[in-house]
Amino acid sequence: EVQLLESGGGLVQPGGSLRLSCAASGFTFSSYSMSWVRQAPGKGLEWVSSISSGGDFRYYADSVKGRFTISRDNSMHTVILQLNSLRAEDTAVYFCAKTVPTTRASAIDYWGQGTLVTVSS
Amino acid sequence: DIQMTQSPSSLSASVGDRVTITCRASQGISNYLAWFQQKPGKAPKSLIYAASNLQSGVPSKFSGSGSGTDFTLTISNLQPEDFATYYCQQYNSYPLSFGGGTKVQIK
Repeated sequence: EVQLLESGGGLVQPGGSLRLSCAASGFTFSSYSMSWVRQAPGKGLEWVSSISSGGDFRYYADSVKGRFTISRDNSMHTVILQLNSLRAEDTAVYFCAKTVPTTRASAIDYWGQGTLVTVSS
Repeated sequence: DIQMTQSPSSLSASVGDRVTITCRASQGISNYLAWFQQKPGKAPKSLIYAASNLQSGVPSKFSGSGSGTDFTLTISNLQPEDFATYYCQQYNSYPLSFGGGTKVQIK
């Protein structure tokens, strides 16, 4: 059974940093790309970032480029999202997602339960 | 960047109804289109990939169609557990993008 468990969310002041982790199990982690998607309170889904299976390709939404960094540790079956220079508009539930490579970008097939990030003074 | 537009943004339906949700891409995306279901306070659930293929374990009451720029999600024989918000998403190219969502409510 595929399981994705996010952690690291919390309350942070504007300009601060957080490190989100997603622990994966139930599949061959090193064979799949991974993504982060967020959802602001009462709003829709917004793709944030994706990383290829080997970690050599990384993609970011314009809204987070230069502030967020995605990485992965295939030996620990973990994907990380480092959030820096946080703004109020980054307040959201952050979901980790397993993605399946295609001939184009990657398709999401499983989601974690999410971790809440609140940016407020 | 590819924009995804869903319609309607909400709809009311009765148990047993058949409903159709539309998703339009701002440029052609072949069949690189997925559909997700989300219930309040829960993570999204993957329903359909490649426009018309059901994810494992998803009942056949859900069906998807379309190619290029226009896509539909149809839910047959609506049941209480189907009342939720549905999102389309393109994975033809980065940045990935979602539609704004369609909330299916009980009439």
